[in-house]
Amino acid sequence: QKEVEQDPGPLSVPEGAIVSLNCTYSNSAFQYFMWYRQYSRKGPELLMYTYSSGNKEDGRFTAQVDKSSKYISLFIRDSQPSDSATYLCASGGGADGLTFGKGTHLIIQP
Amino acid sequence: DTAVSQTPKYLVTQMGNDKSIKCEQNLGHDTMYWYKQDSKKFLKIMFSYNNKELIINETVPNRFSPKSPDKAHLNLHINSLELGDSAVYFCASSLYRGGTEAFFGQGTRLTVV
Repeated sequence: QKEVEQDPGPLSVPEGAIVSLNCTYSNSAFQYFMWYRQYSRKGPELLMYTYSSGNKEDGRFTAQVDKSSKYISLFIRDSQPSDSATYLCASGGGADGLTFGKGTHLIIQP
Repeated sequence: DTAVSQTPKYLVTQMGNDKSIKCEQNLGHDTMYWYKQDSKKFLKIMFSYNNKELIINETVPNRFSPKSPDKAHLNLHINSLELGDSAVYFCASSLYRGGTEAFFGQGTRLTVV
């Protein structure tokens, strides 16, 4: 059983659109939830970090966690071509490091 | 200044060779990790060290041996390389155990021929 599920895409949207990226997880012990952005041939870059349920906003990015449904979301407003990348959700809760989803490949069309 | 740096960036080697990848972090973090990203981009943890002590050792062939000389360094040595070891290996660090807010290096692209 995969612990973090994520649709690999690709997801292609026009510039300026609102993007919604989602993950589900199965481990109830997870308390920390993160979104990473990875450009081609680069390391994952931490975008958003959320502890437990709730929303967090940072500029054009909003992360949401619903622990009751084990659902993690990332919204990108006013999407830009530079947002084109692979977005990885990750969850953790103890000493076991992070468990990653497989990543969603996002393409923003100019 | 690069927060998490790993060398080399690219490594091409023949089957059966032994190779090492080095990692250093200047963030003052206590915990360091090695992750493997396969051709399908799936990122999976291999090892974790906290203050030089091994705390996570996932199901990884024992040809892979991590070494942490101090809490700022975590190296990965691989013996008898196989074709299936070809992947991108990422070093990461976090302030505490549990991998919260882990920061990643740029990766080492290992190709075994």
